[in-house]
Amino acid sequence: EVQLVESGGGLVQPGGSLRLSCAASGFTFDNYDMNWIRQAPGKGLQWVAYIHSGGNTIFYADSVKGRFTISRDTAKNSLYLQMNSLRVDDTAVYFCARKRTGTTYFASWGQGTLVAVSS
Amino acid sequence: QSVLTQPPSVSGAPGQRVTISCTGNSSNLGAGYDVHWFQQLPETAPKLLIYDNNNRPSGVPDRFSGSKSGTSASLAITGLQPADEADYYCQSYDTSLSAWVFGGGTKLTVL
Repeated sequence: EVQLVESGGGLVQPGGSLRLSCAASGFTFDNYDMNWIRQAPGKGLQWVAYIHSGGNTIFYADSVKGRFTISRDTAKNSLYLQMNSLRVDDTAVYFCARKRTGTTYFASWGQGTLVAVSS
Repeated sequence: QSVLTQPPSVSGAPGQRVTISCTGNSSNLGAGYDVHWFQQLPETAPKLLIYDNNNRPSGVPDRFSGSKSGTSASLAITGLQPADEADYYCQSYDTSLSAWVFGGGTKLTVL
């Protein structure tokens, strides 16, 4: 069974940092591109960041470029999102989602972890 | 403002058919990129409902179907059930933004 389990969310002050993790199991992690997608309270979905299955290609949404860093660890079957210079409007549930290379849809999602940025 | 436009809400009685529209432009749906649909039940993660315009993942009932034409797409749900009450999102890729994009979501209410 495919499982994606996010962790690392919490309450942080504006300007602070947080590192999210996503533990993957039930599939060959190396064969999938991975993404972070977020959902602000009561709002819709927003794609945040992408990393290719091989880790050599990375893309970010303009709203997080220069502040967030996506990475993956094949040995640990894990995906990460380092979030720096956090802003109030980064408050959201962050989901990790897998995508097969060559496709444009997010096949499986984790349950999400809440990041709240507030003073 | 979402790149893909969906109606904020739709409703229907049990057993009826409803459709949810998704309108894009020449940089996403009109550029030939496929549209995908997700169902998000209250307090849960989104779940893939339709991929590549009209394909259902294993386990998704054939009451759900999708179509795409030009810069528009739609999701149809037949035989509406109370359990279908959820938020529905369309999704594609936008070449001018170099980003995966979502519609703003449509809340389906089963009367």
